[in-house]
Amino acid sequence: SQQGEEDPQALSIQEGENATMNCSYKTSINNLQWYRQNSGRGLVHLILIRSNEREKHSGRLRVTLDTSKKSSSLLITASRAADTASYFCATDEMRNQGGKLIFGQGTELSVKP
Amino acid sequence: DGGITQSPKYLFRKEGQNVTLSCEQNLNHDAMYWYRQDPGQGLRLIYYSQIVNDFQKGDIAEGYSVSREKKESFPLTVTSAQKNPTAFYLCASSHRTGVSYGYTFGSGTRLTVV
Repeated sequence: SQQGEEDPQALSIQEGENATMNCSYKTSINNLQWYRQNSGRGLVHLILIRSNEREKHSGRLRVTLDTSKKSSSLLITASRAADTASYFCATDEMRNQGGKLIFGQGTELSVKP
Repeated sequence: DGGITQSPKYLFRKEGQNVTLSCEQNLNHDAMYWYRQDPGQGLRLIYYSQIVNDFQKGDIAEGYSVSREKKESFPLTVTSAQKNPTAFYLCASSHRTGVSYGYTFGSGTRLTVV
């Protein structure tokens, strides 16, 4: 079952611009995480935001969480060509005692130099 | 360096053949996971294990089997019962379940049926 739905499915921007990706989910969560995947590679953990947090920063990344709307956004500021990758949100659902993550379909980001 | 290793990187399977994908971690993580990724898609959970000698089915366990005899290892067998096994398989691990930690992923195995 897919918990997260991401929007847009694909995003193309110029270097230096900001990129915003959104994630919506259906059930109550313990936390929400964002991952990055370069083509043909494994996923890399970027940032985790807990259900009692509203905003978190890590370098050029800013994540927000709105539990009332069951949505999150990932903002990448001053994007670089090296940011080109697919980005996935993943939720740790409260009903899952096993701590397994449910991943969304991903947003494919292309940053043109 | 600590990490999670998947092998082989590429694997070809003939019709009716069972194949085993290896996943080893030296991070001292308790929990390990197998996901399947199809082109342009998200990840779907096949099996996961919270502790040695115990594992649970994920959303798409049919046609797959796993074992967890050692903390470091969580091999996945794709059996002949899996009718459409061509996909990218990702193994991950994390600290104790029920705690909010991120996953560490391997670099994946690409399985193709020939």
